[in-house]
Amino acid sequence: QVQLVESGGGLVKPGGSLRLTCVASGFVFSDYYMSWIRQAPGGGLEVISFISERSDIIYYADTVKGRFTVSRDNAKNSLFLQMNSLRDDDTAVFYCAKHIIGDVAFDLWGQGTMVNVSS
Amino acid sequence: DVVVTQTPLSLSVAPGQPASISCKSTESLLHSSGKTLLSWYLHKPGQPPQVLIYEVSNRLSGVPDRFSGSGSGTDFTLRISRVEAEDVGIYYCFQGVRLPWTFGQGTRVEIK
Repeated sequence: QVQLVESGGGLVKPGGSLRLTCVASGFVFSDYYMSWIRQAPGGGLEVISFISERSDIIYYADTVKGRFTVSRDNAKNSLFLQMNSLRDDDTAVFYCAKHIIGDVAFDLWGQGTMVNVSS
Repeated sequence: DVVVTQTPLSLSVAPGQPASISCKSTESLLHSSGKTLLSWYLHKPGQPPQVLIYEVSNRLSGVPDRFSGSGSGTDFTLRISRVEAEDVGIYYCFQGVRLPWTFGQGTRVEIK
């Protein structure tokens, strides 16, 4: 079954850390760019990071640069997002998403994992 | 940043009637590759977003043919030829031509 499954969300205090994991199945994970996209409560969608197939191209939005680190393990079909120095405004549903090959569009999304930053 | 602006922000449509959403960008979405990197997504309640259209007018496999996309440069349109109950949700356009990639603010579609 072609799917992405995220885990690792939860409640964390400001300044704390979380590591999100996205496990892929049903497709050749190592062939695709992957992105992390978040949606704050009542807010819109924001692409916060992406990583190329071989991890040689990585991008971070200014809102998370210096605090978040994306990585992948192609042998384990897994994508990760290490989130440090979390702030209240990082509260959101975090989705991992698979890119369409050769395009900037997302044809497969995980179900999302909720990150709640609150004291 | 490239700003993509959707209109209207909400739509109420009777079943079987057409609907149309506009997306305008502050810069051309024509990439140097020759592709126009504008896609459309539907976010249904309780589900992750799903892509409907990529590169302006390419419908993803499995997307009903009542959905169509058109446009070029900075002006784009998503059309639903006959709205069905399952089409409710928030529709987003998305530009991938320049970082940061950005989504429109969303158009909420409900059934009358």
